[in-house]
Amino acid sequence: DAGVIQSPRHEVTEMGQEVTLRCKPISGHDYLFWYRQTMMRGLELLIYFNNNVPIDDSGMPEDRFSAKMPNASFSTLKIQPSEPRDSAVYFCASSIRDRGSYEQYFGPGTRLTVT
Amino acid sequence: SQKIEQNSEALNIQEGKTATLTCNYTNYSPAYLQWYRQDPGRGPVFLLLIRENEKEKRKERLKVTFDTTLKQSLFHITASQPADSATYLCALVRASGGSYIPTFGRGTSLIVHP
Repeated sequence: DAGVIQSPRHEVTEMGQEVTLRCKPISGHDYLFWYRQTMMRGLELLIYFNNNVPIDDSGMPEDRFSAKMPNASFSTLKIQPSEPRDSAVYFCASSIRDRGSYEQYFGPGTRLTVT
Repeated sequence: SQKIEQNSEALNIQEGKTATLTCNYTNYSPAYLQWYRQDPGRGPVFLLLIRENEKEKRKERLKVTFDTTLKQSLFHITASQPADSATYLCALVRASGGSYIPTFGRGTSLIVHP
């Protein structure tokens, strides 16, 4: 398996623009997580899905953020409109409940810069 | 409020020595505790899990202890090598509605000098 795939790897956009981040989880995994990582706040959980259903989005900073998982092999995180304070590295991770370790497999991340 | 604390200062050690990293937490009742490694520009990679009823877990040169009374986990790397240099994150895993959700500490940077 290729692991968790994220695109784009880097995104530079201007304030006010819409940004869409994409994630393809590992095949067969039933959990998908979106995280944001900054120096100030570390790795923060934004939202997670179980079997394509959003379970907890309490970490989503505000209404400008939305996430979807239309099928088991694809998820998006959208920011509209983007702001400079959204600049961070966004990670997608997947896991499978059957594994006793509940380990998460992370993608390479998308580095977002909002100017 | 819930808090996970890892040393923000980098840990510098000589090759061959044992590195010990600390993860302290408050106001948590985790079911599990995980340790991840993160290299610059990459996503975290899972290393070890320890359950609340376990005191110690080992994997090759890695050892993790978990003291739920002290609310602390220690992560040891024996015979450290420069290739072990990375940031190490602890994650407390809580049960929530049938799911097991990790909350991450901010990580400690380890630098192993040759």
